[in-house]
Amino acid sequence: DVKVTQSSRYLVKRTGEKVFLECVQDMDHENMFWYRQDPGLGLRLIYFSYDVKMKEKGDIPEGYSVSREKKERFSLILESASTNQTSMYLCASSERSGANVLTFGAGSRLTVL
Amino acid sequence: SQQGEEDPQALSIQEGENATMNCSYKTSINNLQWYRQNSGRGLVHLILIRSNEREKHSGRLRVTLDTSKKSSSLLITASRAADTASYFCATDEHAGKSTFGDGTTLTVKP
Repeated sequence: DVKVTQSSRYLVKRTGEKVFLECVQDMDHENMFWYRQDPGLGLRLIYFSYDVKMKEKGDIPEGYSVSREKKERFSLILESASTNQTSMYLCASSERSGANVLTFGAGSRLTVL
Repeated sequence: SQQGEEDPQALSIQEGENATMNCSYKTSINNLQWYRQNSGRGLVHLILIRSNEREKHSGRLRVTLDTSKKSSSLLITASRAADTASYFCATDEHAGKSTFGDGTTLTVKP
């Protein structure tokens, strides 16, 4: 019963390519998040969204953009991939009300050559 | 900047022993959560403790929270090889936004 699905588990891209990471959740959650995870740096918040067509910058938004056209889908876009964006990307969702209990996807490991 | 910091960074124990991990944070929080991550996978929520609670149990997990010291601990009792994973604390200073620490990597040897 997969609840948060990330479209790609592994991607290899070249420097300068445009990269789309897709995330879909089936729990009707209002909030959606994109984190990146790097050794020694933990999870860092890139962007989040509280509603359709809404987006908020997280702690490290530079070099990224997002799109939320439908409630269930939250896309992370790397307009021009760079080698320092090689990382594990984690999507998560949560309900609007109450504590922010996150349900995570399995992650997308991106390598930029 | 990161809010939570876990200690130790790595912990290795024998099956059947207890494992204790600690988390310290810097600012006031609404609640604190613990997550688990198996290698190369996403995080899974384990337990939440609210700022007005001091202790919480869930199965073999026991979480404590000391808001005066800005710290929390996660105790896993009678550990199993399947408990091998990384464990993260996450704090919610603002509604709807969680900040994670670097995690503790736990290895349970059979």
